Order: sequence, then C-alpha cells, then structure tokens
Amino acid sequence: SQQGEEDPQALSIQEGENATMNCSYKTSINNLQWYRQNSGRGLVHLILIRSNEREKHSGRLRVTLDTSKKSSSLLITASRAADTASYFCATDEAGTALIFGKGTTLSVSS
Amino acid sequence: DAGVIQSPRHEVTEMGQEVTLRCKPISGHNSLFWYRQTMMRGLELLIYFNNNVPIDDSGMPEDRFSAKMPNASFSTLKIQPSEPRDSAVYFCASSSSLGGQPQHFGDGTRLSIL
Repeated sequence: SQQGEEDPQALSIQEGENATMNCSYKTSINNLQWYRQNSGRGLVHLILIRSNEREKHSGRLRVTLDTSKKSSSLLITASRAADTASYFCATDEAGTALIFGKGTTLSVSS
Repeated sequence: DAGVIQSPRHEVTEMGQEVTLRCKPISGHNSLFWYRQTMMRGLELLIYFNNNVPIDDSGMPEDRFSAKMPNASFSTLKIQPSEPRDSAVYFCASSSSLGGQPQHFGDGTRLSIL
C-alpha cells in the first residue's frame, strides 16, 4: 500500500533554529496530515492539508503541499527543546484509513 | 474531555498466553483504528471499524489476531496464542469520520511476549 516517506530520518538542531521535514508519497490523495509523537506517548495530530490547498499555518508550524510533485513539507520555526519528538506524515487516499510514513526524529538541544 | 483510553498500558506475558487489549474511543467518534508500532516496521494499520462494523482487516497479521467492537464505546484486540514476535506497542485511535478528519490516539499498550 502507498506510504509517505519522510526525509530526513533524523534531524538535530539547536534551539531557535528552524526545522524542515519533507514527505513524499506515490498516488493521488484527498488530504495529508502531520502528527507528532513524544517518547512513550501516542501520536498527536498537528495539521491537515487538503489536496486543493497549497499552504497552511498553525502557530509555529507551516505545511506546504505540492500535489504535482507528490510532496509535502513541515516547517517548525524557532524550535524549542519541547519540540523534540518524532514527526509523521500520513496520507488519506480514498477517504478511508490513513497510511503513515516511518517518521523523522527531531532533536532540539538547548 | 477524555481522550482515547487504552488499557493496560503495559503487558508482559509468556508465549502462548491469550492477550486482550482494550480501547475506549472518544465519545461521538464513529471510526476506530488499531495500529501496531515497531522499530522495524513502523506504524502498521491492523484493522478499522466504522459505526462498530469492521471495514478492513487486511492488516491483521495472522488468524491469531482478532478484534471486536461490540458497541460505540468499546473495542478489543485479542491475540491468541501470543508469540514473541507480537511484542510491540499497540495503539488505538478514533475519529469523527472515516476520512478527512484527524485521528486521536491513545497512549498505547506496550506488549512484551517472553
């Protein structure tokens, strides 16, 4: 089944820097979602972008979607230590279940 | 508001034993999903329900796995008999609709089969 592929697999930055994660997928989608997972916890929904949208903002998060390239990016501005987590993209192909990628592990050091 | 509640949080048992994982979705959500997460395979969708009806169980790895949703507020995932390779974190998630909406995850059950 189709799966989003995040890039990079791991990212280490300093507090205050921006973090950019990318997601590529293979087939047409209805929407794409980004989730965060802190160690030992469940996934938390961050943002949903529909196939007819190109960019969306939520606080320090900015998500872009390029359906022609079948890719999305998540930008976290002014990173904080509390942003340390794994980030997953998930694609919704047919309005049914989500397919998750394997995630990007972000480490933000103070 | 209470989120998705899973129990137990941790389970350690011996190979061959029956394991039952439980999930209470968010009230009013009509879609429920069971996932398994491992380092090797990432997050795998096992089965999902809509309005208490199983829609797709193609992700269930073997006949040893079964899931039920007897009512809108409760679901179980059962493994019988359990094997060491079943060791993983199992997540339940619920959503207000089958597609186009965020999923809300529980904190998972960490299962270790010895």
